Amino acid sequence: KNQVEQSPQSLIILEGKNCTLQCNYTVSPFSNLRWYKQDTGRGPVSLTIMTFSENTKSNGRYTATLDADTKQSSLHITASQLSDSASYICVVRGGGTASKLTFGTGTRLQVTL
Amino acid sequence: NAGVTQTPKFQVLKTGQSMTLQCAQDMNHNSMYWYRQDPGMGLRLIYYSASEGTTDKGEVPNGYNVSRLNKREFSLRLESAAPSQTSVYFCASSGTGQGEYGYTFGSGTRLTVV
Repeated sequence: KNQVEQSPQSLIILEGKNCTLQCNYTVSPFSNLRWYKQDTGRGPVSLTIMTFSENTKSNGRYTATLDADTKQSSLHITASQLSDSASYICVVRGGGTASKLTFGTGTRLQVTL
Repeated sequence: NAGVTQTPKFQVLKTGQSMTLQCAQDMNHNSMYWYRQDPGMGLRLIYYSASEGTTDKGEVPNGYNVSRLNKREFSLRLESAAPSQTSVYFCASSGTGQGEYGYTFGSGTRLTVV
């Protein structure tokens, strides 16, 4: 069964600190991996999309890595800000039709003063 | 540039009532999707439409119907609401039939069935 597991479930960090969120997946065949940010009461917003051949992709202070061999990805947030408080969802698209997205349950990040 | 617009934002239904959730996108995307999000679970696909005139079942279609009214609009109907359908519903769209690009999500409809 295709699965996407994220860790930690939740995380609290001080403003200005860095953090790394983890994503492990068992989706096969693999097409791409996406990270989304979801603010409370809002829909998910895309941060990065990586294909099999991409190891790293950045979007401002967000840097995603992908190791397709070990089926692991991470999202690194640099110099966190209060506005980074949100859920971060890892999503893996398998090969085939557009319906084959598998969503992780997300990591809830809280950035505090 | 509104992106994906969902209405209503909140709704409370009694068991057995029906309702339609509306979704419209202004990005000229071919594909549209309906997801539900429940606590402790990843988003689950209810139905999708790869292109105008086509619809297909997703992972959890029971109790729902959809209509792709035109390229812009994709509605989700609950014919006889049940408490198990209490959830947050998200509509999304993508630029190609294969969803190679990022999805754009609406802001969601929070539905409570009592």
